[in-house]
This record gives sequence, structure tokens and C-alpha cells, in this order.
Amino acid sequence: DGGITQSPKYLFRKEGQNVTLSCEQNLNHDAMYWYRQDPGQGLRLIYYSQIVNDFQKGDIAEGYSVSREKKESFPLTVTSAQKNPTAFYLCASSISGINQPQHFGDGTRLSIL
Amino acid sequence: GQQLNQSPQSMFIQEGEDVSMNCTSSSIFNTWLWYKQDPGEGPVLLIALYKAGELTSNGRLTAQFGITRKDSFLNISASIPSDVGIYFCAGSAGAGSYQLTFGKGTKLSVIP
Repeated sequence: DGGITQSPKYLFRKEGQNVTLSCEQNLNHDAMYWYRQDPGQGLRLIYYSQIVNDFQKGDIAEGYSVSREKKESFPLTVTSAQKNPTAFYLCASSISGINQPQHFGDGTRLSIL
Repeated sequence: GQQLNQSPQSMFIQEGEDVSMNCTSSSIFNTWLWYKQDPGEGPVLLIALYKAGELTSNGRLTAQFGITRKDSFLNISASIPSDVGIYFCAGSAGAGSYQLTFGKGTKLSVIP
């Protein structure tokens, strides 16, 4: 079945360590997105990509980096510069064009050891 | 930036009751989306609205795109225990933007 796969489901990071969250989709969507969700909060956009080899910063990009080398993959790296990385991270994708609904993966929960 | 005010923040209802929640915006949106999120999972799209005044149903769920384009409503009829979760509204201003603005969610609890 088509969908968005995020891995791992749970991830632990040590202080000063970079970690990479995986997001893969087989929906043939051009656009992909990363969101951060904190308890009681809405989703905040970290980065998005409308096409391969191109991506744009969202509202809270500091301390994060992404790459988009393949259409189906959009990994997110949480760097040591992100001082408060504990959160639920959600990846989404959509077909190209404005006003298109985004479809989400099941998330990765990142915690600090 | 754009902000969405979603209310109520949480609600407790008896099984079988109808539920209503809404989102309002300080600016105009061209698309309104409603999602449901279960604990530990990603949001699932329930209803998408693309035209002012549009009323769309999905089973027991009905959503409306406000005439002013600054608000949207979601109604759930005859609630059941599996309706429990967090409901998010999201809006897109269009005009070349791929970004969605999300409300903070309405947490729904259903008492059997």
C-alpha cells in the first residue's frame, strides 16, 4: 500500500550528538515536509521541499538540516545546535501545487538521554 | 505570521452526543483541512474544503468553509468511543504557498 514511512519510531539522543530521522514515501508526491509537535501545541513547520534538490526553511529551521536527493526520501537531521530537541517529529507529503492536502507519517518521538 | 484559533481546547461528551468545534483566522484562507490524530500517531486527513460556503460530509463528520474565508467548522454527529483523539484544523493561504497553518487542536473525550 502507498504511504509515508518514518523511522525509527523512538529515538534517543545524547548531548552534543546529531541524529537523523528518516522519511520515505511511495505516493509519488513531489512535495515533502517536516513538522515538530510539542504537547498541547499545533504543528510547526521545520523545512519543506517542493522538488528534488531544493528545500526551504520553515518557521523553526534553526538547529535542523535536511536533504532531498531523491523524490521519495526527505531525511531530517537534528543537530547539536538544537538545544531543545525533545518532541514528536512528523513528516508529510503532498502532490505539487498550492492548496494540496498533506498526508502524514506516524511520527518519530525524539528524547534526550 | 498567520494564526489559527481553534476552540474549544478540550471537550468531554457523552457517547451519542453531537460535537461541534471551530477554527478562526486573522486572515483569509483558500483551503481548510480537518485532521484527526490518535495518540502516538500522525494526523489523518478527514475533510478538505476548497470553496467559501462549501459544506462537505464524511460519514458522521460534516465540515464547512466559512463565507468570510476566515473560519471553518467541524461537526461530529452521534459520537462513539473511537472518535476520541485530537482534531486539528489547518489552513492554506494559497497564492504560491505550500505551507499550512495549524490550529492547536481540540482534544475530544467520549464517555461511554
